Amino acid sequence: EVQLVESGGGLIQPGGSLRLSCAVSGFTVSDNYMTWVRQAPGKGLEWVSIIYTGGSTYYADSVKGRFTVSRDNYKNTLYLQVDSLRAEDTAVYYCANYAYSYGYYFDYWGQGTLVTVSS
Amino acid sequence: QSVLTQPPSVSAAPGQKVTISCSGSSSNIGNNYVSWYQQLPGTAPKLLIYDNNKRPSGIPDRFSGSKSGTSATLGITGLQTGDEADYYCGTWDSSLSAGGIFGGGTKLTVL
Repeated sequence: EVQLVESGGGLIQPGGSLRLSCAVSGFTVSDNYMTWVRQAPGKGLEWVSIIYTGGSTYYADSVKGRFTVSRDNYKNTLYLQVDSLRAEDTAVYYCANYAYSYGYYFDYWGQGTLVTVSS
Repeated sequence: QSVLTQPPSVSAAPGQKVTISCSGSSSNIGNNYVSWYQQLPGTAPKLLIYDNNKRPSGIPDRFSGSKSGTSATLGITGLQTGDEADYYCGTWDSSLSAGGIFGGGTKLTVL
């Protein structure tokens, strides 16, 4: 059974940092494209970052230079280091597997972890 | 403001059919495959449709997807109260170096 379990969210002051984790079971993180998607309260979905099988990483313009995605192959875990946090980064952060057939799509999602940026 | 445009809300009675539209452009829907996601209240999104019209294992055939030109449509027949949720379309955009884009979401109310 595939499971993605996020952790690491919480209440943090503006300018602060957190490291979000996504522990995966049922498939190998390093063999897949892994992403982070966030959802601000009452808002829609926003793609945040991706790490490819080869290790290349990409980010949405809104987080570029402040967020860093990485993975630990031994722990089969995905991470998102979030620095210089702003109020507008307040959201539920989901990790998701980015699958490919004819097109790309997000097939497995975690339950999400809430990051609240507030003083 | 999302690149993909969805109606904010749709509604229908139990047992009826509803469609949700997703409008884009040639840089996204027009030249890429579309996926659809269901988000029940307080839960994570769930994949409903991929590659425009394919259903993952376990998704009932009440859910269908189609694409024409720069628009896509999600259809739900035999509506149930348990279908009340937010629905999002997603695809790739050629202006992106990576990742994907989503529509703004549509709230389905089963009256």
